[in-house]
Amino acid sequence: EVQLVESGGDLVKPGGSLRLSCAASGFTFSNAWMSWVRQTPGKGLEWVGRVKSKTDGETTEYAVPVKGRFTVSRDDSKNTVYLHMNSLKTEDTAVYYCTIHGDFGRFGSWGQGTLVTVSS
Amino acid sequence: QSALTQPPSASGSPGQSVTISCTGTSSDVGGYNYVSWYQQHPGKAPKLMIYEVSKRPSGVPDRFSGSKSGNTASLTVSGLQAEDEADYYCSSYAGSNNKVVFGGGTRLTVL
Repeated sequence: EVQLVESGGDLVKPGGSLRLSCAASGFTFSNAWMSWVRQTPGKGLEWVGRVKSKTDGETTEYAVPVKGRFTVSRDDSKNTVYLHMNSLKTEDTAVYYCTIHGDFGRFGSWGQGTLVTVSS
Repeated sequence: QSALTQPPSASGSPGQSVTISCTGTSSDVGGYNYVSWYQQHPGKAPKLMIYEVSKRPSGVPDRFSGSKSGNTASLTVSGLQAEDEADYYCSSYAGSNNKVVFGGGTRLTVL
């Protein structure tokens, strides 16, 4: 059974930094592309960023609102994907979900999410 | 403002059919047959219901179906049941290095 378990969500001040983790199991993690998707309170979903598998170059891509501030990385030895968030803004407040980035943007498996609150 | 446009709400009585639309542009919905639909119940993670416009993952009832015409994709829920009451989100592949865009979501109410 596929399992994705996010952690690291917290209350942080504007301008601060945070690292989210997502521990994966139940599938061949090293072959998977992984994405982060966020959901602002009471609002919709927003794709944040993606890292390809090492075989596919481990390249990353980001949504415009977070480009230059967020970094997605992976550690295949730990079956874990990370979201490094810098220069946080109040509008980054959201539940952050880890997902398997399937063919052409299909997200078939999701974690339970972790809440990031950016507030002074 | 979301990249894809969905109606904020939809409703239907048990047993009826409801269709939810998702409008994008030729750079996303209209340009690729890679539209997905997700169901989200309160406090839960989204669940994939439809992918590649009209395909259903294993375990998703055939009451859920998808289609696309031009820049607009649609999700139809037939034979509405109480448990179908949830938020529904569409998404589309948007080319350009595998980016993905979502709709703003539609709250489906079963009357």
